[in-house]
Amino acid sequence: SQTIHQWPATLVQPVGSPLSLECTVEGTSNPNLYWYRQAAGRGLQLLFYSVGIGQISSEVPQNLSASRPQDRQFILSSKKLLLSDSGFYLCAGRGDRGHRGYTFGSGTRLTVV
Amino acid sequence: AQKITQTQPGMFVQEKEAVTLDCTYDTSDPSYGLFWYKQPSSGEMIFLIYQGSYDQQNATEGRYSLNFQKARKSANLVISASQLGDSAMYFCAMREGLRGSYIPTFGRGTSLIVHP
Repeated sequence: SQTIHQWPATLVQPVGSPLSLECTVEGTSNPNLYWYRQAAGRGLQLLFYSVGIGQISSEVPQNLSASRPQDRQFILSSKKLLLSDSGFYLCAGRGDRGHRGYTFGSGTRLTVV
Repeated sequence: AQKITQTQPGMFVQEKEAVTLDCTYDTSDPSYGLFWYKQPSSGEMIFLIYQGSYDQQNATEGRYSLNFQKARKSANLVISASQLGDSAMYFCAMREGLRGSYIPTFGRGTSLIVHP
């Protein structure tokens, strides 16, 4: 079955600093992968999705970027963080054949100070 | 326009009673899937149940059932015999097939509190 690994769990970064969040997938190959952001008490906002190596689609214009250097690796980055980048970041992958749900990582809680 | 609408920001239920969490959706895609996820305070997203647009019967998974009313575009989650551990945020989500590239869109969620 598919497992999504995400780290770190918690991150406090100053405004203007860079960001790199990593998501790796175990158990399936060539998964569709997604980055979501969840503001406090709100739903999930799709940021990026990827259907394969080097293929990234952006849903929301912002100072974040994503990359997929390997089949099972999905990275969320920023060159300079803003206060508004604070939130809970979740990586998700489309599940195994026959399992019609999407598997999520445990999330990274980012606070920009 | 919002694709997924959850109108109940918060719900309270007594332990062992049933509770219904509302979800309505908007799509013109004939092929779509509807999901419910549970998010406890730890933040993890736990898949609960799935309903496909062509499924003839309502989905059930243990104590969870999905009341799928296609004409009304509603996909309410019913939790029977509530337990204290059911206290969490619940999100309804939809992925559209042909036009939506299978990307899940989430509602704003409903906070459920189960009282002893």
